[in-house]
Amino acid sequence: QKEVEQNSGPLSVPEGAIASLNCTYSDRGSQSFFWYRQYSGKSPELIMFIYSNGDKEDGRFTAQLNKASQYVSLLIRDSLPSDSATYLCAVKQKASGTYKYIFGTGTRLKVLA
Amino acid sequence: EPEVTQTPSHQVTQMGQEVILRCVPISNHLYFYWYRQILGQKVEFLVSFYNNEISEKSEIFDDQFSVERPDGSNFTLKIRSTKLEDSAMYFCASSLLAGEYNEQFFGPGTRLTVL
Repeated sequence: QKEVEQNSGPLSVPEGAIASLNCTYSDRGSQSFFWYRQYSGKSPELIMFIYSNGDKEDGRFTAQLNKASQYVSLLIRDSLPSDSATYLCAVKQKASGTYKYIFGTGTRLKVLA
Repeated sequence: EPEVTQTPSHQVTQMGQEVILRCVPISNHLYFYWYRQILGQKVEFLVSFYNNEISEKSEIFDDQFSVERPDGSNFTLKIRSTKLEDSAMYFCASSLLAGEYNEQFFGPGTRLTVL
């Protein structure tokens, strides 16, 4: 069974700090990686995706991918209380004729005002 | 901005009853999916659907589950005889293409409570 692993947290950071969220995956053939934010009782909301090794920046968010180590991370700079949510790491896995997301359990982030 | 919609937002049913969860995918999308999330657990893939056929289904998607696109806009998930363990959030998603780099857009979810 191909898995995606995340620390469930909670990860608590003070407002303005950098939050670092980590994810490992078991399928070495995976090529595309997605970070979703999920508020309690709501649907996942895409933050960003990354396909290539290295860093990808989008505003306060930076995704980092290391395929050799099968590791993907999300950095949130200048954390705000509104960033408090569960962050889901998702890996695309080949299905018959399409792809499906394999999600991790999510890391709960608390940004303290 | 186009979005995936789902109805109802919350469905309460008795064990053994049939339920139908409805989704309206983004209008020009071709691929449709159902995921489920039991409270406190991870989001899990149930089924993908394309060209009026199931493309892939997980081991969760047993004979009690079925999907249908009854018209040009709706995509439904039917659970024939609900069990307590079917209580979960059910998310519909759609995508224009099925490639590895194509985003799936999620609807707001239907919370199913089986009593």
